[in-house]
Amino acid sequence: GNSVTQMEGPVTLSEEAFLTINCTYTATGYPSLFWYVQYPGEGLQLLLKATKADDKGSNKGFEATYRKETTSFHLEKGSVQVSDSAVYFCALSNNAGNMLTFGGGTRLMVKP
Amino acid sequence: NAGVTQTPKFQVLKTGQSMTLQCAQDMNHEYMSWYRQDPGMGLRLIHYSVGAGITDQGEVPNGYNVSRSTTEDFPLRLLSAAPSQTSVYFCASSYEGQGAGNRELFFGEGSRLTVL
Repeated sequence: GNSVTQMEGPVTLSEEAFLTINCTYTATGYPSLFWYVQYPGEGLQLLLKATKADDKGSNKGFEATYRKETTSFHLEKGSVQVSDSAVYFCALSNNAGNMLTFGGGTRLMVKP
Repeated sequence: NAGVTQTPKFQVLKTGQSMTLQCAQDMNHEYMSWYRQDPGMGLRLIHYSVGAGITDQGEVPNGYNVSRSTTEDFPLRLLSAAPSQTSVYFCASSYEGQGAGNRELFFGEGSRLTVL
């Protein structure tokens, strides 16, 4: 079955540091890939997505590239802010597009 | 702009009790789903619906029932609560039925359930 593996957190960075959160997946076919973000006390929000190999999703300074050869979708940001502190979830859709499989989540803490 | 509304936000149950978690959306979304969130395990899909009158099982359906009599509402029922069902539950919807997994999911704020 499908699965998503994320690096365990928490990840603690200083403001303006470079961020990478690793995500690898196992899936049959050609899934779409997503990053969702959960701020404290809230539900998840879509951050970015990519629907085919070599696509790059981007939003709010975050980027991730769909790498089929390495089955990865790593999240990056060049300069993090305190307001980026949250839990980040990598996810993929099944071929029918009616289910998402989530990774375990990575907590990011950014210090001023 | 209510979006996806879940009630209650917090609930404590005793083992064997029953309850219903309510979910309503005002965006006319066809697709609705329930997830549970447990530490270190991410979110796992319990049940989903691609339209009124249609429901299907997700990854962890045991112990839960759902129905979809209207487009707006998708309640989750626990018939006989167990401590293993202690979790945070999220309802999510999307604007398309089939293929909704490739679209953006809109989440409610969650319902924290504790079963003693």
